[in-house]
Amino acid sequence: DAGVIQSPRHEVTEMGQEVTLRCKPISGHNSLFWYRQTMMRGLELLIYFNNNVPIDDSGMPEDRFSAKMPNASFSTLKIQPSEPRDSAVYFCASRLGLAGGTDTQYFGPGTRLTVL
Amino acid sequence: GESVGLHLPTLSVQEGDNSIINCAYSNSASDYFIWYKQESGKGPQFIIDIRSNMDKRQGQRVTVLLNKTVKHLSLQIAATQPGDSAVYFCAENGGRSGYSTLTFGKGTMLLVSP
Repeated sequence: DAGVIQSPRHEVTEMGQEVTLRCKPISGHNSLFWYRQTMMRGLELLIYFNNNVPIDDSGMPEDRFSAKMPNASFSTLKIQPSEPRDSAVYFCASRLGLAGGTDTQYFGPGTRLTVL
Repeated sequence: GESVGLHLPTLSVQEGDNSIINCAYSNSASDYFIWYKQESGKGPQFIIDIRSNMDKRQGQRVTVLLNKTVKHLSLQIAATQPGDSAVYFCAENGGRSGYSTLTFGKGTMLLVSP
């Protein structure tokens, strides 16, 4: 079975440019999470969706960040305009999400973003 | 707010030794705990989980122990191998199983010398 798929794996861009990160969750999972990981702050939850609906976006750092989930098999995280401090590894994770089920999240390989 | 923390940021062991990685949690509502392994350049990988109605669970070469009295979680790795070198994270669900988010600890780096 394919796990969580993320693209691109690496992104280098210049300050001020728009960046779009993509995620395909595991088929049948109905919860999707976006995380950011840095050495200083560790793994931070940015936003998560249940059944394609954003449930909690309190971790989104500012209005420059936005996330969408137009259908159960695709999500995007967009940064516009990007800044050097956005440089990090961004992970997408999915979860089966059934009531009474486990809370195990399965992570993708991540996108390493560098903003110059 | 309540959070998950780790006692040891780096643990160095010799190949073949047993490793113990510790984690303290503070949210008494948490009823599900997970250990993840993250190798360099990869995403966190599920290792083992445990529910609060258990105090021990074993997998292949790994054992998770849960002490709810002192809110402590540990991961034991038997016969540690160089391939076990990675950062290990514990995570708790804060209760509301199936609908909750996970709170991750800062991570412990395990270094295994041949």
